Formats: sequence, structure tokens, C-alpha cells
Amino acid sequence: AQSVAQPEDQVNVAEGNPLTVKCTYSVSGNPYLFWYVQYPNRGLQFLLKYITGDNLVKGSYGFEAEFNKSQTSFHLKKPSALVSDSALYFCAAVSYQKVTFGTGTKLQVIP
Amino acid sequence: DSGVTQTPKHLITATGQRVTLRCSPRSGDLSVYWYQQSLDQGLQFLIQYYNGEERAKGNILERFSAQQFPDLHSELNLSSLELGDSALYFCASARGETQYFGPGTRLLVL
Repeated sequence: AQSVAQPEDQVNVAEGNPLTVKCTYSVSGNPYLFWYVQYPNRGLQFLLKYITGDNLVKGSYGFEAEFNKSQTSFHLKKPSALVSDSALYFCAAVSYQKVTFGTGTKLQVIP
Repeated sequence: DSGVTQTPKHLITATGQRVTLRCSPRSGDLSVYWYQQSLDQGLQFLIQYYNGEERAKGNILERFSAQQFPDLHSELNLSSLELGDSALYFCASARGETQYFGPGTRLLVL
């Protein structure tokens, strides 16, 4: 069975500090990997994706993610966190047309 | 704004009833996905349609069904509703692998 794990329910980081939100996956084949962000009472918004190529993917709002095939991980990163980055972040994997989302990580950026 | 619209925004109904949620995808997107988001279950993939045909099925209950019409809008039908069906229901559309989510329909079953 396919699964995507986000091991941290919540991540707290001080404004201006770097942030990392972790994601690991267990899916067959070579999945496409995604990060989405959800603000309160809103739908999910696409941040970035990895299909193939460079392991470091750059996305919206200064976010980037690093794909590591050997560790089956796709961690989301940002060099300097903003208070406005506080939201719920979801990692997702698509393989053989089946989509699997992680359980989400709440990011709290403290002023 | 993702370009995906969902109606209604809110829906309150009683147990045992049936409701229909509607989704209009972004212009040109052939794929529509349906998701259920609840506090205890997280984000659950329900079903995907592509150009009118069912393409993939997730954790969709037998009481739930969906369809995609020739104009590519989609409807999710929920019947014999139970208290536990209270959740936020999202649809998303896609042209490739990237999904664009609608604002959701919040369903409350009393």
C-alpha cells in the first residue's frame, strides 16, 4: 500500500530562521512528489513539485524542496521563515495515477 | 483564486438525507478529483474522473457516488448521510499532474 508520512504534526520556528517540514514516502514506481499549503478555511494551494531532474526544486513564496531517492524523502525548506508562512502543509505522491496525501504538518512561525 | 469553483459553500442537513456537491474545473482541465477532509481522518482521496470517465478510486464509501458531465463539471452525491460524514469536501482539477483545489464545501450533518 502506498503511504506518505509527515512525522511532525506541528513545527514551530522563529521568524527569520530557516524552516524544514519533513516528508517521506513509500510508493511503487517513480512517483511525482508535491507540496501544497492550506490556509484556514481555504482550499489547498500548489507550492512545488518534483517530476525528474535536479533534486532541489524551487517553488512559490521562496519555498524549495529536496528530493532524496535513497531516503525516499522530499523535505520542504525555506531559508527565512515569515509569520505569513504559518499554515498547514501537505506532502503528496502520485504514482500510477494514484494520489496519496500525508496527514499534514502545521507550521507556526513565531514573531 | 485557483479557478476551480464549488457550490454550495456550506450545507447543513440531517442524517439519512442525500446531498449533491458541485464542482466546476478550471477551463481546459479534463481531470477532476474529489477529497474529504475531516479532523480525525485528514485529507482522504475519494475518486478521480478524466474526461467523463472514472479513472481512479480511493476511500470512497458505497453511499457516495460521483460523475463528470460532458461540459466537464462534476458532482459528488452523498446519500444516507451519517454524522461522521460531516467534513470539508474539496474538488481539484488538473491538466497534468498538478492539482488546483477549489474552496471546498463544508457539510454538516445533524
